[in-house]
Amino acid sequence: AQSVTQPDIHITVSEGASLELRCNYSYGATPYLFWYVQSPGQGLQLLLKYFSGDTLVQGIKGFEAEFKRSQSSFNLRKPSVHWSDAAEYFCVVYNNNDMRFGAGTRLTVKP
Amino acid sequence: DTGVSQDPRHKITKRGQNVTFRCDPISEHNRLYWYRQTLGQGPEFLTYFQNEAQLEKSRLLSDRFSAERPKGSFSTLEIQRTEQGDSAMYLCASSGGSGWYNEQFFGPGTRLTVL
Repeated sequence: AQSVTQPDIHITVSEGASLELRCNYSYGATPYLFWYVQSPGQGLQLLLKYFSGDTLVQGIKGFEAEFKRSQSSFNLRKPSVHWSDAAEYFCVVYNNNDMRFGAGTRLTVKP
Repeated sequence: DTGVSQDPRHKITKRGQNVTFRCDPISEHNRLYWYRQTLGQGPEFLTYFQNEAQLEKSRLLSDRFSAERPKGSFSTLEIQRTEQGDSAMYLCASSGGSGWYNEQFFGPGTRLTVL
């Protein structure tokens, strides 16, 4: 069955530290891959997306993600986290009329 | 502000009542999507429109749910005979173009509570 997994429900990092949020998917072919962020009181916003080409994708707010076909992963990274990055992050996968969000990873940023 | 808007933002209703939500997409966007998000979960796709045509419906969309986009602009989502399990945040999004790869812009959502 097709699925998208975000193994970490909640992550806490210190401001200025690096961040990696994990995402794994189970699909037959390479799907479209997205990361969306949901900040408190805000609508969901697209951070970045991947379909083909360079497997390292740059997004907004200093985020990047790397597609690894062999691991069926699309992990999100940021080298230095800011307090304003505290939010819920969703990995999203689309394939053949099936669009699925992961359960989300809640990021807390410590001062 | 020309973003996606949803009305109402909150709705409390009693079990068995009908409710209707409205979504106004970004004006030039021809695709409109509805999602449902329950606490602690990611959004779940319900249905989408390409202009006024409803092209896909999730199996989550039971026969108590109906969505329309009569003139290819705003959309409504109606839930008939609401159940407590319908309590959730209902999200609307819109996008330009005709592909799923295009960025979806989300509204603030309508939070439904069924008592």
